[in-house]
Formats: sequence, C-alpha cells, structure tokens
Amino acid sequence: DAGVTQSPTHLIKTRGQQVTLRCSPKSGHDTVSWYQQALGQGPQFIFQYYEEEERQRGNFPDRFSGHQFPNYSSELNVNALLLGDSALYLCASSLVTATYGYTFGSGTRLTVV
Amino acid sequence: GDSVTQMEGPVTLSEEAFLTINCTYTATGYPSLFWYVQYPGEGLQLLLKATKADDKGSNKGFEATYRKETTSFHLEKGSVQVSDSAVYFCALSEGFQKLVFGTGTRLLVSP
Repeated sequence: DAGVTQSPTHLIKTRGQQVTLRCSPKSGHDTVSWYQQALGQGPQFIFQYYEEEERQRGNFPDRFSGHQFPNYSSELNVNALLLGDSALYLCASSLVTATYGYTFGSGTRLTVV
Repeated sequence: GDSVTQMEGPVTLSEEAFLTINCTYTATGYPSLFWYVQYPGEGLQLLLKATKADDKGSNKGFEATYRKETTSFHLEKGSVQVSDSAVYFCALSEGFQKLVFGTGTRLLVSP
C-alpha cells in the first residue's frame, strides 16, 4: 500500500518564477494538508483541502494557492517566488476526521536562487 | 493561538543512556498531542500520540504521557540506540484541525 507520494523531490527556481508541487495521498485518505518546513524549523501549516475545497488556511500570503482533484491528489502553487520560499514542502494526507492521524510524504526540497 | 515549546538541541547521548525531551504546549481547548520523528532527508513519521489527559502514548520503546495540569508531553526512552539519532518534533492538534509543531530537537547518539 503506497504511502504519500510527492513530486518532484528537488527543484531549483529563480526569484519571481512560479512553481507547482504535487502530492498523491495515501490510499483511502480524502484530505490533504501542506506544510512548509524552513531549515532548522518545525513545519508550518499552509492549507488543507477536502472535497476539492480549501478547508483551513494558515498564515501564508495569497501567492500560495492549491487545488485538490477528484482523485484526492493535490497541487501546491507558489507565484512570484522569493528567496525566503526556499524550504522543504511536506504533504500530509488523512481522513477528514484525522481518526488515524496524518501520513506525511518525504517532501519536495525547493531552492529559490 | 496554540503553540508548542520544545527543549533546544542538540541532545547528545551515549548508546543505552536515558532520554528525555521536554515539550510543553499552549492551547485554548483540549488538543491531541503527538511526537513525530524525522530522519535525514525524509519526511515526518508519527512516533506516538495521546488524545486525552493522562493517556500514555508508546511506540518502539518511546513513551510520553499527556499531563494536562502541567501542559506537558515529555518524550522518554529508557535506552537509546544509535539508530534513534534523528530530529524529534512535538505537535498538537485541536479537533480535526491543523498540526502545530514545535521547532524540533535533534538527538545524536554515539556508540
């Protein structure tokens, strides 16, 4: 049974560019959350998607947007990249009730130069 | 808002030593509490959890007890191994909401 799959694993972008990160949730999960983990810090909640709608949002600017597809997979889009957006982006999937907790992917390492 | 405070690392121990990583939290309600572990180059793995006061979560020799009176959820292990070297995150979640993480504590275990 596959866990959470994220792609790509690494990428390098230039300031001002746009990036799309992808996440396939664990089989049976219907909710996807995205987190940003800066170097040496704990993950920070970006937003959560359920039934193709944004259900909760953390304290991130509108440059960060997302989408959930009918198959529960999700994308995170970041526009007008800043150097400070360099981080590990983690996707976590769960049931909407989070009854059995959250399963995290290995993350996408984004470097903005 | 909700927050989690962990002891700063790194924590450096010899193999078979006793481990304690302190974690305290601030929350408006009655959160669930978690410990996650992150090995180099990997995502987060759930280590253990507790959903109500006085619950003890345990897994792979690690334990933590939900102490409402002291708002704490300290992680302990009686005898650490080199393979336990990783970064440990304490986290909370209220209802079915987002996870709020601490800043992490790096554990280094030497043979």
